[in-house]
Amino acid sequence: DQQVKQNSPSLSVQEGRISILNCDYTNSMFDYFLWYKKYPAEGPTFLISISSIKDKNEDGRFTVFLNKSAKHLSLHIVPSQPGDSAVYFCAAPMTTDSWGKLQFGAGTQVVVTP
Amino acid sequence: NAGVTQTPKFQVLKTGQSMTLQCAQDMNHEYMSWYRQDPGMGLRLIHYSVGAGITDQGEVPNGYNVSRSTTEDFPLRLLSAAPSQTSVYFCASNPRVNTEAFFGQGTRLTVV
Repeated sequence: DQQVKQNSPSLSVQEGRISILNCDYTNSMFDYFLWYKKYPAEGPTFLISISSIKDKNEDGRFTVFLNKSAKHLSLHIVPSQPGDSAVYFCAAPMTTDSWGKLQFGAGTQVVVTP
Repeated sequence: NAGVTQTPKFQVLKTGQSMTLQCAQDMNHEYMSWYRQDPGMGLRLIHYSVGAGITDQGEVPNGYNVSRSTTEDFPLRLLSAAPSQTSVYFCASNPRVNTEAFFGQGTRLTVV
């Protein structure tokens, strides 16, 4: 049962513009949400997280917004750079005591064009 | 620190063969996990461990065994490989508290 969904498999954006990646979830018990970035032939690397008690978390060019009533979160990348071209996964811990047991979305492939 | 190390990076197996995917971490993390990544499905949890001697099943455990005899190592065993196990496998570790998981570089497995 897919409880974390990323419905856009791909996104193309021009360098310098904003990238907006979307994620929906069905389990209202999720306490945290995480975004991971993955380059080809590498493992995912952690990007940013947000607690369910917040509606926004910012780290440099990356901002995650959470709308609990809509069970929706989004990742904004501003400005987009060529090095941001990667697959981005939204994930949520399945337990409250560890972030090692994660439920992942299917991922969104971002391509940043010059 | 090397982080999370997975071996081998690539493997081709025949149906019915067995093999062990190795995973080692040098960060003294209590929590370790195995995931598989398939096209269009993201990563799915196979097995996880909250410490030496303790393992449990994830979302897709069938066909896989694990053991955790030390904090550092968490091998994943395929007892009788099937084509449906063709996938990219990732091992991860994280401290028990709520911090992000660190992933290895993955093992690409093909079962023919």
